[in-house]
Amino acid sequence: GAVVSQHPSWVICKSGTSVKIECRSLDFQATTMFWYRQFPKQSLMLMATSNEGSKATYEQGVEKDKFLINHASLTLSTLTVTSAHPEDSSFYICSAREVNTEAFFGQGTRLTVV
Amino acid sequence: AQTVTQSQPEMSVQEAETVTLSCTYDTSESDYYLFWYKQPPSRQMILVIRQEAYKQQNATENRFSVNFQKAAKSFSLKISDSQLGDAAMYFCAYRPYGGATNKLIFGTGTLLAVQP
Repeated sequence: GAVVSQHPSWVICKSGTSVKIECRSLDFQATTMFWYRQFPKQSLMLMATSNEGSKATYEQGVEKDKFLINHASLTLSTLTVTSAHPEDSSFYICSAREVNTEAFFGQGTRLTVV
Repeated sequence: AQTVTQSQPEMSVQEAETVTLSCTYDTSESDYYLFWYKQPPSRQMILVIRQEAYKQQNATENRFSVNFQKAAKSFSLKISDSQLGDAAMYFCAYRPYGGATNKLIFGTGTLLAVQP
């Protein structure tokens, strides 16, 4: 299957700072990327859907000013958690797909805000 | 709205035995995809098997097979000859057919333990 690389795998940041997570499709052009959040022993919660070159569509209850998503190219999307707080600590996963193909997942990023 | 339900939070199976994980879903669509994903302790999501709703034949991938009952909106996963490496969280997922932005809808997951 296609490869999606997510970086970093884990990050610790201080409360009040911002942190950026990258999601790259390595061998295909990702017209659509999805960002999820997962709490321990729970399912994946979709945060937003992004299409290359356009604004992301956020799910209800997700603060778009706090979770900034950029999808500037067909191989890269970024999620920036702004002014992070301890309650933002979680596991974040991206997935990417071309039109009418499967979605492939990145390996996830564990964010800890201290 | 489409929903996916996994009624078994945890399951356990003996190594080399067979186990079946349950999944039901609700949709008014006639064309869609169903998936089973595996999430091992590494938390990397791995696609196990995929079923197109228009296909009557149940999908099979080596030791993994599904029982797709479209009228009953049921999509169970059978793991044969269970191995220690099968221990993971398993998620059932639904996606409508067509459209680049159609999103996956996940169930709550079933944690599978494999006993040696």
